[in-house]
Amino acid sequence: SQQGEEDPQALSIQEGENATMNCSYKTSINNLQWYRQNSGRGLVHLILIRSNEREKHSGRLRVTLDTSKKSSSLLITASRAADTASYFCATDPVKAAGNKLTFGGGTRVLVKP
Amino acid sequence: GAVVSQHPSRVICKSGTSVKIECRSLDFQATTMFWYRQFPKQSLMLMATSNEGSKATYEQGVEKDKFLINHASLTLSTLTVTSAHPEDSSFYICSASGRDAGYTFGSGTRLTVV
Repeated sequence: SQQGEEDPQALSIQEGENATMNCSYKTSINNLQWYRQNSGRGLVHLILIRSNEREKHSGRLRVTLDTSKKSSSLLITASRAADTASYFCATDPVKAAGNKLTFGGGTRVLVKP
Repeated sequence: GAVVSQHPSRVICKSGTSVKIECRSLDFQATTMFWYRQFPKQSLMLMATSNEGSKATYEQGVEKDKFLINHASLTLSTLTVTSAHPEDSSFYICSASGRDAGYTFGSGTRLTVV
């Protein structure tokens, strides 16, 4: 079963605006990762944040992690039409055998030019 | 960076036939490979985890006799959908991880059973 819950499920914004999506999870984690998936394609790794980190940046991406609330957020600043994709959080649970990732439901982002 | 090649990208097969999907790590040794299934507009559901040289571990509800997984080498894992039915139509994605590589995903396989 999927551990992560993401909201919103879908997001539509204008180019240049910021996009924020949230992810909540249930168990203790080693790290949390964000991925992007273009329609009908594989997943592209965006950023990994470890359980002892609170915030991380990569280009126009900003990720926060609050382990006390078991939640994370992904912010895409100054969005572009090319950012249109589905975004998934994935957790690496502490007690999971085999280091398997558990994915959230995803947020479908549409950036209108 | 780490690269995983998944083949084929699309396949159409007749009901009752079997289909094999390959997942190769091109520039690292994948000690563990994961197979996911994704229905339209939904998230990835883990089907099974395989470690090189050992039997795959299947998630609850996944039929191991229907979805045969082989991980015979550190660079190749295969998923065979046996006696495929239309309800097996889906997007299948592999992921590989190794000692010096995080999780790297293949580009996925769109399976359509007619």
